[in-house]
Amino acid sequence: SYELTQPPSVSVSPGQTARITCSGDALPKQYAYWYQQKPGQAPVLVIYKDSERPSGIPERFSGSSSGTTVTLTISGVQAEDEADYYCQSADSSGTVVFGGGTKLTVL
Amino acid sequence: QVQLVESGGGLVKPGGSLRLSCAASGFTFSDYYMSWIRQAPGKGLEWVSYISSSGSTIYYADSVKGRFTISRDNAKNSLYLQMNSLRAEDTAVYYCARAEYSSSSGGYFDYWGQGTLVTVSS
Repeated sequence: SYELTQPPSVSVSPGQTARITCSGDALPKQYAYWYQQKPGQAPVLVIYKDSERPSGIPERFSGSSSGTTVTLTISGVQAEDEADYYCQSADSSGTVVFGGGTKLTVL
Repeated sequence: QVQLVESGGGLVKPGGSLRLSCAASGFTFSDYYMSWIRQAPGKGLEWVSYISSSGSTIYYADSVKGRFTISRDNAKNSLYLQMNSLRAEDTAVYYCARAEYSSSSGGYFDYWGQGTLVTVSS
């Protein structure tokens, strides 16, 4: 079955830039989406269609795509950005797939 | 504002059944695909099922196909998930989510409820 691969963890100091990657063979042909999930809360969409930002999401969140890898970039990381981040896409038949998640730690 | 409120979770024995509900408000429910997504304790997200705006088109993950049934009542702005033949591995928080669906790309989920916990254990 199709898989999206994320690093289990990423650590960054406040004010620095965090980059979280997501790899998958179908990503050149499928959009990627990113969700932020804080402990005990529901996921929140932070990026859609590779690089679009929903209203209400801070400008420091951005997305990009290159080949089989998509990247969520958080510029000027703040303590409140500490959370789990999940990428989501679809396989060639359109079935939804989530990555395993990345825990972002703000040092 | 968009609100999704799940209910119906609880403790059930293996082989048992449970029906989850999701009450939607703040948007025109009948215009949107809806979905159930689950998250096992300490684990990642897993898509479970999609239902089209009219209810005529339905998709399931292989892990629940034949055991779970998604449905909706547009007159009541409600989404449902009937879960039968439950297994320990179905233990999870179940989220209701509004979907921006695409047949080619699977779409995405722009609003989520707070979830309801289903525990399958003897």
